[in-house]
Amino acid sequence: DTAVSQTPKYLVTQMGNDKSIKCEQNLGHDTMYWYKQDSKKFLKIMFSYNNKELIINETVPNRFSPKSPDKAHLNLHINSLELGDSAVYFCASSLGGGGDTQYFGPGTRLTVL
Amino acid sequence: RKEVEQDPGPFNVPEGATVAFNCTYSNSASQSFFWYRQDCRKEPKLLMSVYSSGNEDGRFTAQLNRASQYISLLIRDSKLSDSATYLCVVKDSNSGYALNFGKGTSLLVTP
Repeated sequence: DTAVSQTPKYLVTQMGNDKSIKCEQNLGHDTMYWYKQDSKKFLKIMFSYNNKELIINETVPNRFSPKSPDKAHLNLHINSLELGDSAVYFCASSLGGGGDTQYFGPGTRLTVL
Repeated sequence: RKEVEQDPGPFNVPEGATVAFNCTYSNSASQSFFWYRQDCRKEPKLLMSVYSSGNEDGRFTAQLNRASQYISLLIRDSKLSDSATYLCVVKDSNSGYALNFGKGTSLLVTP
């Protein structure tokens, strides 16, 4: 059984398009996250939700909008895609916060042409 | 956000060797510390948490020095399957629940 799943795994699109990435976890966790790993392999937090409420919103362009319809899902919508948005986007979840282990999804490799 | 710094490597070692990775963090208020492993084109996976007293899990030993703000990972008897990128990770008390990743240290274990 997949604990944290993301769709799609690969996404190739043109500049200016709008796209969404979906994330689901079946672990019963309360907290979910989006991380971005750029071409230099640096992983950085973008957003975090706890029980459907936004708790972390790093300095991310407002073209990126997370949506959490329920605590098992955290989707990421990106408007007006730019070349610099090309990266691997990882969803993660944890039971709570603090020292709880975060479990990562397999990643979505986004390429903007 | 404060930084977590690691030597990027790569570290190329023969099978059976012992290899050590170091990491420093700049926020003295950091509370939780981890080593994650990331294989090529895969997601990061927790290798081990790091405790103040030091902890061991099989061939892996992690140490934390809060005074020096320094974390280490020792891998003994390296296996080919240990080849990966090792990410030093810190959770700050004032960063909500987010993990603050180092850029990773690349390890290649050769036959």
